[in-house]
Amino acid sequence: GAVVSQHPSRVICKSGTSVKIECRSLDFQATTMFWYRQFPKQSLMLMATSNEGSKATYEQGVEKDKFLINHASLTLSTLTVTSAHPEDSSFYICSATTGGKNIQYFGAGTRLSVL
Amino acid sequence: AQSVTQLGSHVSVSEGALVLLRCNYSSSVPPYLFWYVQYPNQGLQLLLKYTTGATLVKGINGFEAEFKKSETSFHLTKPSAHMSDAAEYFCAVSANDMRFGAGTRLTVKP
Repeated sequence: GAVVSQHPSRVICKSGTSVKIECRSLDFQATTMFWYRQFPKQSLMLMATSNEGSKATYEQGVEKDKFLINHASLTLSTLTVTSAHPEDSSFYICSATTGGKNIQYFGAGTRLSVL
Repeated sequence: AQSVTQLGSHVSVSEGALVLLRCNYSSSVPPYLFWYVQYPNQGLQLLLKYTTGATLVKGINGFEAEFKKSETSFHLTKPSAHMSDAAEYFCAVSANDMRFGAGTRLTVKP
């Protein structure tokens, strides 16, 4: 149980285009989902926390207009990288939890390459 | 606020040797503690967790960790390393939210 599906696993796009990444909890209802960014050989950096039906809470320094997060249902959250630029190239990972200090279950990640 | 420090960004052991990955944390409230493993280009997989109760926690793949409150530590161990254990390991603390350590890359030499 507790499977989180993230799609796509890899995306290559042109500079200036927008990319949407989906994160789904397949067998549980995720009251909270998290989006992380990971640079090569570094730890995960929390970008934002989203609760179903409410606006996401962004970490300091993360541009909310650039990284649009939608958590419309208890099983789906999306991250849209708007007007992507090469510096947005990174590994993006989502996780989902049933809340509180409960375990976060992670998706397999999405490698975004912006040309 | 909580934080995690992983001592040693890179640990190298021989196959069959003891694995010890160090993690120290700070938290103003009783935390939950986790170890995750990440293989290249993949997400994180939960190895084990400590919430309450028994301080020695056993996880998957033969790993275990011991919560030592007096030392604010949660070190990860495995008695005998296997080649397939080579990966990146992250310690995490969850109190109000989850914070990750910088990671330790484990290399296993044949």
